[in-house]
This record gives sequence, C-alpha cells and structure tokens, in this order.
Amino acid sequence: TQLLEQSPQFLSIQEGENLTVYCNSSSVFSSLQWYRQEPGEGPVLLVTVVTGGEVKKLKRLTFQFGDARKDSSLHITAAQPGDTGLYLCAGPYSGTYKYIFGTGTRLKVLA
Amino acid sequence: EAQVTQNPRYLITVTGKKLTVTCSQNMNHEYMSWYRQDPGLGLRQIYYSMNVEVTDKGDVPEGYKVSRKEKRNFPLILESPSPNQTSLYFCASSIREGEGQGFNYGYTFGSGTRLTVV
Repeated sequence: TQLLEQSPQFLSIQEGENLTVYCNSSSVFSSLQWYRQEPGEGPVLLVTVVTGGEVKKLKRLTFQFGDARKDSSLHITAAQPGDTGLYLCAGPYSGTYKYIFGTGTRLKVLA
Repeated sequence: EAQVTQNPRYLITVTGKKLTVTCSQNMNHEYMSWYRQDPGLGLRQIYYSMNVEVTDKGDVPEGYKVSRKEKRNFPLILESPSPNQTSLYFCASSIREGEGQGFNYGYTFGSGTRLTVV
C-alpha cells in the first residue's frame, strides 16, 4: 500500500511551459518535504511544508500544503531543461519515526 | 562541508558473501536511515535510527542488519546477500526539531551505493 501517491508519474513538456505535480495521501502528515533526484545521485531536499494551507516559493517553484495536511502540490512556472529530474514528496508517518517517500514524478523538459 | 558519505559507491559481490556498506555524517544529526531504490518500487526504508543504540525496522528490513554505536556512523550489513538485494542503496541523516514523535525537516542523502549480487 502506497501511503503517498504522486501524479502524474511521467511528464514531458517544452521549455517555458508550466506544470503541476500532485502528492496525495489518505493519512495526515505533520510535515511534507519535496526532493529532486538526478540519475544515480541521492535526492536533494527542496522544501519543507508544515502548516495546513502553507505556500512556499523557491524561485520558479511553488509548493503548497493542503489545508487538511493530507496532500501537497508543486507548481513550476516557465520550466527549463535544468528542471529535469525525479521529483519526490516525502514525510514522517504520523505517530512513528518512519519516513516514507511518494511514488515519484519523472519530469523531462525539452529545449 | 556538511555531508553524508557512503562507501563503496559501486559493489559487485557473490551470493552469500557478507558485506558492509558504511555511512558517516558530519552534521551531528540524530536521525539516520537506510533506503533502497528499485525501478517501479521507489524509495523504501530498510532501517532507521533515532539516536545512538536506538534502531528500528523500516518497511523492508529482511536480510539486513544495522548498528549505531556512534552518532556519526550507521553501517548497513548484509550477512548473506542474495540477488534480490541487487539495488541502489542510500544512507540519509536528519536533524530533529520541533515537538512530537516523527517530526522531521527532511533528510540529507549520501551519493548512493549501487550493489549487484550475482
């Protein structure tokens, strides 16, 4: 059972387009993190969201935590080829020390 | 430089030959964890440690052992590796802030160990 489902699984877009990646769960999370992973490398933390309804911006990336803290989204404005990679949401599973990852969204931005 | 260091980066071994993958962090982090990443299955947690001498199973602990004798080190031991343990392994560490069990600000990952068991 996947506790964190991401959609879409794959996304191929042209440079300059906008996109949104979704991370959904039936469980409440105390916080959620977003990572980006390059092939053969470890995931790199992009942002942490903690409060329901919270919105954080990182240059052209906008992250939102759902009001009920069960979902999150990542929006990229004017995507660039450098945004290509695997995007992962993750978070501590409520009431435990386990930390779980979403299913991942593989993004390719074409020049 | 703050980092998590894993060794080796690549390893090819034979079934049944015990091996250890080392992991060390220089950030004085409390949390450390091991993950494996497989195509179609994503990142799955093997073991984690909340602090020295405190470890617990993740979602896929079978066939693995860990120890946390010092805060900075968290080795992963495969006592009798099998081909189904061929995978990309990541060690990660995190500081713990805030209140409540499991509250977490995200992990710093190592560069990975690609293990092949033949």
